[in-house]
Amino acid sequence: DAGVTQSPTHLIKTRGQQVTLRCSPKSGHDTVSWYQQALGQGPQFIFQYYEEEERQRGNFPDRFSGHQFPNYSSELNVNALLLGDSALYLCASSRDRATDTQYFGPGTRLTVL
Amino acid sequence: GENVEQHPSTLSVQEGDSAVIKCTYSDSASNYFPWYKQELGKRPQLIIDIRSNVGEKKDQRIAVTLNKTAKHFSLHITETQPEDSAVYFCAAKEAGGFKTIFGAGTRLFVKA
Repeated sequence: DAGVTQSPTHLIKTRGQQVTLRCSPKSGHDTVSWYQQALGQGPQFIFQYYEEEERQRGNFPDRFSGHQFPNYSSELNVNALLLGDSALYLCASSRDRATDTQYFGPGTRLTVL
Repeated sequence: GENVEQHPSTLSVQEGDSAVIKCTYSDSASNYFPWYKQELGKRPQLIIDIRSNVGEKKDQRIAVTLNKTAKHFSLHITETQPEDSAVYFCAAKEAGGFKTIFGAGTRLFVKA
């Protein structure tokens, strides 16, 4: 039973560039949430996708956008990168009929120079 | 919106002792409280969770208690082992929504 997977593992970008991160949910899961984890802090909720729609968003600017595909996988896009966007980006999946329990992927470490 | 405060930020215990981490939340309607363990360079792993209709839950050496009146919940680890050393995060899920709010984390050191 495959767990949550994310790609790439690490990414280095420069200010102003755009980045796309990818997530495949755990088998049987249909809901994907994205989190940003800055060094030494707890994960912060970016948004959640279900049935290919964003259904709740945290306090993140419009530079952060996402998408969910029919196979439930998801992408996180960040435009006009800032130095402060450097963080570990975590994806978590869950089953909608039990949306409470989330399982995290290994994360993508984004460094913005 | 929901806010979760966690303390202590760092906790050091001797192997075999107990460790307690405490969290408070602001939204009295929050209904789900998971705890995650994150080892260095790894993903957060769910270790235990509790729902608002339960006051206590135990799984081997780990237990969580919830006091809805005081809006706080705690993680108890008994007979700590060096492999329990990690950062632990508490979280609360907003009622009526899909957002989970995390505490800032507690770095637990278990000394052999």
